Amino acid sequence: GAGVSQSPSNKVTEKGKDVELRCDPISGHTALYWYRQSLGQGLEFLIYFQGNSAPDKSGLPSDRFSAERTGGSVSTLTIQRTQQEDSAVYLCASSLARESYGYTFGSGTRLTVV
Amino acid sequence: GQNIDQPTEMTATEGAIVQINCTYQTSGFNGLFWYQQHAGEAPTFLSYNVLDGLEEKGRFSSFLSRSKGYSYLLLKELQMKDSASYLCAVRPPNFGNEKLTFGTGTRLTIIP
Repeated sequence: GAGVSQSPSNKVTEKGKDVELRCDPISGHTALYWYRQSLGQGLEFLIYFQGNSAPDKSGLPSDRFSAERTGGSVSTLTIQRTQQEDSAVYLCASSLARESYGYTFGSGTRLTVV
Repeated sequence: GQNIDQPTEMTATEGAIVQINCTYQTSGFNGLFWYQQHAGEAPTFLSYNVLDGLEEKGRFSSFLSRSKGYSYLLLKELQMKDSASYLCAVRPPNFGNEKLTFGTGTRLTIIP
């Protein structure tokens, strides 16, 4: 596609439920990133996929968070047993490897846990 | 570790000039990005500096001093649409690792 697509754009879920957030990167971009943006906070790195390499999961805040990337394209971020502190905007970005123009971000999924 | 500091909020007048500063203390450095983010929207790329000096791009310019761990974004001829958050981000030195570290962003408000 022309840009990075994320779905859903908004998600309200009850505490304790599982949620899945989807990211469809720009075609041909080998790198895909998930970040989290909480109110008043900077973008917090979650996970990074690069080609066929093992993902860098160093930013995942707990084992309730996981992500996969199928076929080197679409990625799904799963949060199990959601907590109120998981409420944030989850941003996905993609890039060509070693590109000096940084990321192209999607519009994000606003997750609200009630 | 990585530490990036930016002012939280700034206000400037339409038609004027504003400078948004960013200081960083990182374990490695391979370039600095500035992104613009309007409320409720995705961040969009503004500039990238890897060498010292000033990069000019229309109304926006970005400066980098690696020895001082300092960058600024300069916005000229301010327009109301420039009201947004401006994010500073540092790129790590490891080849193939594009995991950026972001500052908390500076919310810029333009007043008439």
